Amino acid sequence: EAGVAQSPRYKIIEKRQSVAFWCNPISGHATLYWYQQILGQGPKLLIQFQNNGVVDDSQLPKDRFSAERLKGVDSTLKIQPAKLEDSAVYLCASRRAGVKYNEQFFGPGTRLTVL
Amino acid sequence: TQLLEQSPQFLSIQEGENLTVYCNSSSVFSSLQWYRQEPGEGPVLLVTVVTGGEVKKLKRLTFQFGDARKDSSLHITAAQTGDTGLYLCAGPNDYKLSFGAGTTVTVRA
Repeated sequence: EAGVAQSPRYKIIEKRQSVAFWCNPISGHATLYWYQQILGQGPKLLIQFQNNGVVDDSQLPKDRFSAERLKGVDSTLKIQPAKLEDSAVYLCASRRAGVKYNEQFFGPGTRLTVL
Repeated sequence: TQLLEQSPQFLSIQEGENLTVYCNSSSVFSSLQWYRQEPGEGPVLLVTVVTGGEVKKLKRLTFQFGDARKDSSLHITAAQTGDTGLYLCAGPNDYKLSFGAGTTVTVRA
């Protein structure tokens, strides 16, 4: 079974530029998460999708961040415009339906550096 | 929001030594998970503990869930260089997972 795929793996941009990240979850996993992991911290949930609907985006800075999962499979996360404090690893995770303890499978992440 | 505090923040040991990392909270959790994150990779689930007082073993790793379900520990026996990584604990917070800040473990050859 293929794991969660993410691209690009690394991205360097200047502040005020735009950037987009892509995620393809494990086949059949209905739930998809985007996390932000700042150096020295644990992952922080940005947004959770169930199929193509948003379950929770309370921690997403909506003035600059957006995310979509149009067909209920892969997803994109966009930042526009980027700020210095957005430098972090952006992790995508997925979970199959029916798991009892919310065990999640993570992709390798995209490391974003904003200069 | 239920907070998870992990200690120590950093740990560096020689190969063959033992180590223990801790995950503590003032709140009761119905379950706790431990993940390991290697440099440049995403977290990988190691174990889920669900019963107060539970002890689970995964080869050289021993996980314990406190009797009151407010704390957990991870003990590694005879650490190897392949154990190097960031160890994260996570607990359910409503339908989400809340992560601790992690313990960075470095095992020197």
